[in-house]
Amino acid sequence: QVQLVQSGAEVKKPGASVKVSCKAFGFTFTDFDINWVRQAPGQGLEWLGWMNPHSGNTGYSQKFQGRVTVTRNTSITTAYMELSSLRSEDSAVYYCARAQRGVVATIFHFYYIDVWGKGTTVTVS
Amino acid sequence: QSVLTQPPSASGTPGQRVTISCSGSSSNMGSIYIYWYQQLPGTAPKLLIYMNNQRPSGVPDRFSGSKSGTSASLAISGLRSEDEADYYCATWDGSMLFGGGTKLTVL
Repeated sequence: QVQLVQSGAEVKKPGASVKVSCKAFGFTFTDFDINWVRQAPGQGLEWLGWMNPHSGNTGYSQKFQGRVTVTRNTSITTAYMELSSLRSEDSAVYYCARAQRGVVATIFHFYYIDVWGKGTTVTVS
Repeated sequence: QSVLTQPPSASGTPGQRVTISCSGSSSNMGSIYIYWYQQLPGTAPKLLIYMNNQRPSGVPDRFSGSKSGTSASLAISGLRSEDEADYYCATWDGSMLFGGGTKLTVL
């Protein structure tokens, strides 16, 4: 069964860092990008960045550039998202998610999330 | 960068057909795919529509997507109480962008 299992809830002090893990089951970990998305209480979805587990290449939202780092350990099919210099506004549920990537008719590129983890609540207080 | 605009709320009665819009602002929106996600209360989002109008396996055909120019729509026909959720459109243009979400209430 395809699933992403995330680590448990975290409580951090302002200024600290948090590292959330995301273990993949049921698919070849290195065949799909892993993305990270967060959702503050009562708010919408906000994208943080992506990583290709095969190459280790990453891309980040400009908003979080310099504060977020996505890494992986392919031997245990696990991705990690570390967010530093935490502030109260970073309190949110953080989701890891698998993405499908491809191209149609050589010019139409698609990229979308098709599998989500259950989320990890991070509280900064 | 694209901005995706959704109405904050929508509503309908059981059996009704409801549409949720998603408007883009980028000049190249015409070449970009739109995706839709459903988020039931207290749960992670779920892929509902991909590549403008494709349904993943298991998504009822009551849900349909369309795109024309810089606008996209999600239609839900035969509305049911369990469709009450938040709905998000999304796109990818080198980074992932989500619309602000639409809260659907089934009256």
